[in-house]
Amino acid sequence: AQSVTQLDSQVPVFEEAPVELRCNYSSSVSVYLFWYVQYPNQGLQLLLKYLSGSTLVKGINGFEAEFNKSQTSFHLRKPSVHISDTAEYFCAVRIIQGAQKLVFGQGTRLTINP
Amino acid sequence: GAVVSQHPSRVICKSGTSVKIECRSLDFQATTMFWYRQFPKQSLMLMATSNEGSKATYEQGVEKDKFLINHASLTLSTLTVTSAHPEDSSFYICSAKIGGGDSQPQHFGDGTRLSIL
Repeated sequence: AQSVTQLDSQVPVFEEAPVELRCNYSSSVSVYLFWYVQYPNQGLQLLLKYLSGSTLVKGINGFEAEFNKSQTSFHLRKPSVHISDTAEYFCAVRIIQGAQKLVFGQGTRLTINP
Repeated sequence: GAVVSQHPSRVICKSGTSVKIECRSLDFQATTMFWYRQFPKQSLMLMATSNEGSKATYEQGVEKDKFLINHASLTLSTLTVTSAHPEDSSFYICSAKIGGGDSQPQHFGDGTRLSIL
């Protein structure tokens, strides 16, 4: 079975500061990795995904993430955040072959302060 | 592209009522749709996987007679919460996956907030 751990339930940062949201996963088989963002009372929007190839993945809204196989991590980063980045962020994995279901982490609430 | 529409966005009803939630893929064909439940300040928990033309696959602990899923076409899946009770109050989110490969991501609807009085 797969599991995803987001180490920080809440991350407060000031506007224009850099941010890193941490994600570690556990799986006995190869997985795809995803980051989703959820704004209040909305569904999830895909930020970026890692399928294969370059371990540094760039997504929408200036976010990027780096896949580290040895540390089984997929941390999300942004060099300079904006007020509009305030949201809940979810890391998720899916096995490459077989069941299509996503396994989500617990989520990280990112709050941007002016 | 890849827009998923979920309707209604909010439902408030009396205990014992059955509630139907629709999930539509507007600009693509979704061979597989997923239904999630999200409690306040928690993550998404998969309830079931819905495949067009076949029976849904439910996750362990999810009552299939309580949460009826129908995936009658490549663009529509419905979740019916039968005889809903206050403990069924939650945020329900659907997602749809474009066919044609394991690497395709899931695209999510905006969710339905269900409140049972």
